[in-house]
Amino acid sequence: NAGVTQTPKFRVLKTGQSMTLLCAQDMNHEYMYWYRQDPGMGLRLIHYSVGEGTTAKGEVPDGYNVSRLKKQNFLLGLESAAPSQTSVYFCASRYSNQPQHFGDGTRLSIL
Amino acid sequence: KNQVEQSPQSLIILEGKNCTLQCNYTVSPFSNLRWYKQDTGRGPVSLTIMTFSENTKSNGRYTATLDADTKQSSLHITASQLSDSASYICVVSDYTGTASKLTFGTGTRLQVTL
Repeated sequence: NAGVTQTPKFRVLKTGQSMTLLCAQDMNHEYMYWYRQDPGMGLRLIHYSVGEGTTAKGEVPDGYNVSRLKKQNFLLGLESAAPSQTSVYFCASRYSNQPQHFGDGTRLSIL
Repeated sequence: KNQVEQSPQSLIILEGKNCTLQCNYTVSPFSNLRWYKQDTGRGPVSLTIMTFSENTKSNGRYTATLDADTKQSSLHITASQLSDSASYICVVSDYTGTASKLTFGTGTRLQVTL
């Protein structure tokens, strides 16, 4: 039982490059979330999904896109990376009103 | 605007000592308050979750309190261990009837030393 798995764990990009972060959960959770964590700030919600095939914008969605084609996977895409997107990205999932389960993060640096 | 403020920002204590972390919030309407532990390089892990009617909840050596009137919560760690070194994040959930939104504090970084 792996819980929430994020890949890759680390990545360095150049400005303007694109990439996709993958989040996979094996707990059959309906809800999935993408957050970013920056120094001195609380976690901020980028996008979330309440079920397969559905996505919604969070607090800081600009510059990101997401897809939830399968219930267990939630993808976060950066179409044209910018230095302001340097951050640690966390994926989380939950069942009903239970606490969220978090992955261990993807550390992304954009030069 | 919903806000969650935590204090202190950082704390160093000797192994075996107790400590208390504080969380003040201005979130409305209030649904529940959660404390998470985040080890360095890892994702947050839930410690406790409390609703409006709960004043105290324990999880081993961790005891959380909630005063919904003053909008304050505390996390008390008893007999600290080196493995308690981590960031502790207070998270408050609102609920508007259609969806809930979480507001995260910036965390208290605790270091337990010998």
